[in-house]
Amino acid sequence: EPEVTQTPSHQVTQMGQEVILRCVPISNHLYFYWYRQILGQKVEFLVSFYNNEISEKSEIFDDQFSVERPDGSNFTLKIRSTKLEDSAMYFCASTGQGGGEKLFFGSGTQLSVL
Amino acid sequence: GEDVEQSLFLSVREGDSSVINCTYTDSSSTYLYWYKQEPGAGLQLLTYIFSNMDMKQDQRLTVLLNKKDKHLSLRIADTQTGDSAIYFCAPQTAGNQFYFGTGTSLTVIP
Repeated sequence: EPEVTQTPSHQVTQMGQEVILRCVPISNHLYFYWYRQILGQKVEFLVSFYNNEISEKSEIFDDQFSVERPDGSNFTLKIRSTKLEDSAMYFCASTGQGGGEKLFFGSGTQLSVL
Repeated sequence: GEDVEQSLFLSVREGDSSVINCTYTDSSSTYLYWYKQEPGAGLQLLTYIFSNMDMKQDQRLTVLLNKKDKHLSLRIADTQTGDSAIYFCAPQTAGNQFYFGTGTSLTVIP
């Protein structure tokens, strides 16, 4: 079965540093998403991306966050100046046309901000 | 966004049936998904139902949808210890967004 790949699996950073989380969605998919899950809490929507632009974003996705699809395969989430409360598991997901097509998730990047 | 609510915890004995419930707010939800998350792992799609269906059966899994009440449930027959995990309900909106519930932690007692 096709996979969404995320790297790195773990990222440790100092508060105030920039981090880039990387994702390779499934190759023929069109919709891309970032979610995060703080330990023990719900899976929270951050942003969706379609046709090379953000289609929707949540309140969490403030000016510190940005997404990019720099080439035909990668989809990145950048946090400009990390805060302690950004520590979470970040999941990338992708789907084809939607509407009954599976939302495929990557295995996540555990971000720890010290 | 959509509000999705689930009970936080459920315990059942091995061999019994489990029923996990979910309520949502967006009546335009098209597809409704159930995901499973084992400890330390990612999100695995279990099953889904289209909004014009009332029920879908997939081996040990039965999904029931009451669209009028915006209520979704997942029944796991003959629950096994390997079913212990967190289960997330995730409606898909007409705008192709997916919102996750709080998750229900299922514990199966041997």
